[in-house]
Amino acid sequence: KAGVTQTPRYLIKTRGQQVTLSCSPISGHRSVSWYQQTPGQGLQFLFEYFSETQRNKGNFPGRFSGRQFSNSRSEMNVSTLELGDSALYLCASSLDRGRGIQYFGAGTRLSVL
Amino acid sequence: GENVEQHPSTLSVQEGDSAVIKCTYSDSASNYFPWYKQELGKGPQLIIDIRSNVGEKKDQRIAVTLNKTAKHFSLHITETQPEDSAVYFCLGGAQKLVFGQGTRLTINP
Repeated sequence: KAGVTQTPRYLIKTRGQQVTLSCSPISGHRSVSWYQQTPGQGLQFLFEYFSETQRNKGNFPGRFSGRQFSNSRSEMNVSTLELGDSALYLCASSLDRGRGIQYFGAGTRLSVL
Repeated sequence: GENVEQHPSTLSVQEGDSAVIKCTYSDSASNYFPWYKQELGKGPQLIIDIRSNVGEKKDQRIAVTLNKTAKHFSLHITETQPEDSAVYFCLGGAQKLVFGQGTRLTINP
C-alpha cells in the first residue's frame, strides 16, 4: 500500500506570492491533517479535513487555508507569503477523524525569500 | 488551551544505555498517547502508542508508560542503538492535536 504522498518536495517562493501544496493520503484514509514544522516552534497543527469538511483548526491566520476533495486528496494554500512561512509542511492521513494513528508524508519544504 | 510539555529537549546517551523522554499534558480528557520518531529528511513515524485504559505498553526495546493521575506519559528505550538517533515527539490533546516540542536523541558509539 502506498504511503502518504506530498508534492512538491521542495518549493522556493518570494514574499507576497501564494503557494499550493498537495497531499495524497493512504488509500482508504478519509482524514487529512496538516502541520507546520519549524526549528523554533516545533510541530504546529494547522487544520484537519474529513469528508471534504474542515473539522478542526489550529491558531494560524486566515492566509492559511485548505480543502479536501471527494477522493480524500487535500491541498493547502498559503496566500501573501511572509518570510516566517518558511517551514516544512507535513501532511498526515488517518482512517477516521480524531485520535487515530496518523501516517505522515515526507513533507514539503517551503522557502520564502 | 491544551498544552503538552516534553522534556528533555536534547538527550545524549551511550550506546547500550537506556533513554527516557517524558511528556506532561494539560487536558484530562486526553485518552490517546502516541510517540513519533522523525529521522532526517522524513516525516514523523509512529513507534508506539497507548490508550488511557492501560498503564504500560511494550514493544521489544521500546515502552510507553502512562500516569493519568499526574497527567504524564513517558517513552523508554532500552539497549539503545545508533539507529535510535532521531527526534522524538509525543502527541497529546483531546480536542486539538498538540505535539510536544521534540527531543533530539543522540546515541554515542
